Parts: sequence; C-alpha cells; structure tokens
Amino acid sequence: QKEVEQNSGPLSVPEGAIASLNCTYSDRGSQSFFWYRQYSGKSPELIMFIYSNGDKEDGRFTAQLNKASQYVSLLIRDSQPSDSATYLCAVRGAQKLVFGQGTRLTINP
Amino acid sequence: DAGVTQSPTHLIKTRGQHVTLRCSPISGHKSVSWYQQVLGQGPQFIFQYYEKEERGRGNFPDRFSARQFPNYSSELNVNALLLGDSALYLCASSLRQASYEQYFGPGTRLTVT
Repeated sequence: QKEVEQNSGPLSVPEGAIASLNCTYSDRGSQSFFWYRQYSGKSPELIMFIYSNGDKEDGRFTAQLNKASQYVSLLIRDSQPSDSATYLCAVRGAQKLVFGQGTRLTINP
Repeated sequence: DAGVTQSPTHLIKTRGQHVTLRCSPISGHKSVSWYQQVLGQGPQFIFQYYEKEERGRGNFPDRFSARQFPNYSSELNVNALLLGDSALYLCASSLRQASYEQYFGPGTRLTVT
C-alpha cells in the first residue's frame, strides 16, 4: 500500500462546477496535510494546508480532513479554466513531505 | 520578497558525468529540502538540511549528496549519472526544521543522455 494515494485521473469538470479531489494516507499518526497545484512544466505551488479535522476554507478552495478515515480532500468551487493543473496531496512525515502521484484536473469551458 | 531560486534551469548531461544543482531559500528560511520528480509522479524526498546539518535522507543511493552553506543556500550533487536520474529536481524552503509548510523553487530539469 502506498503511503499517500490519489486518483490519477484525469478528472474533467465543466467550468463553474465544483471539482472534488481526494487523497488517502496510510500513517494514522500523520498530523499535517497539504495540497499543491502544479501546472505543466512548472514546480508545485502550495495552495492549502490543514492540520485539524473538519473543513478549512480559503476563497474558492476548501480542504477537508477526516483523520479517523485517513482521508483528505480538496474542493474547488466555481471552477475556472485556470484551475486546470495537476493537484498533489502531501502528508508530512519525519523531516519530509510524502506526496501522492497527483490528480490531473481539466476544467472544460 | 524573492522566492526560492534554483540554478541552472535546464541541464543536459551524459551518463557517468557529475552534476551540481544549486538552491537559495526564501530570505529568513533556514531549512532546505531536495526532491526528485519523475514525469507523471509526485516528488520524492532526497534530503533535508537545517543549520548546515543533514536532518533527513530519503531512499536514494550514495551517488546523491548535498550540503548547506552558512547563508542557508544548498547544493545537490549527483555522481555517476544514470539515465534514470533524468527528472525535475526541486528545492523546497521552510522557516525551521520542524516547519510544516514547504515552498518550492522553479526546479532544475536534468536530462541524462
């Protein structure tokens, strides 16, 4: 079992709809969770982090964490074509971030 | 404020050669981590340095080494390059060793032929 798993997609969502990205992790002791956005040919950009169970909202983005079920999700409301990218879920381990393989998201105009 | 900077942007090397990649963290950040990202996969942790000392090492061979300088910049060295070392090498900066948020530089695209 991989430490951090994501659906690799691609996930296709119409413009204006809600995009939902999911991630599961294996280490029950994990405390810190991150979502990075990576455009093709670019480096990852930190867009959200969440440390406590529940929801955390930042503009059009909402991160959701459920430690009991060991999953974390990212919701993007009012999706825009500029949201088309690969979204990486990362979990903090000892001295490092452990990444999933990423989910490619395409927003269709 | 300037973000994380890395040099060079792109690099082409031949199998067996050696390469040095450089990174300057965000001003005030004291911790630097290195990651390797192969096409289609998430970044894989290579090293973390804090206060010039190695604080973490990923599952990479001894051909990979790194160091951090007094100004907190860092170098990643890879010896005896293999075709499989072709990847995007990412440097991430964080405020302290135990800081949770890491911010990535633009990366160095290494191609080994």
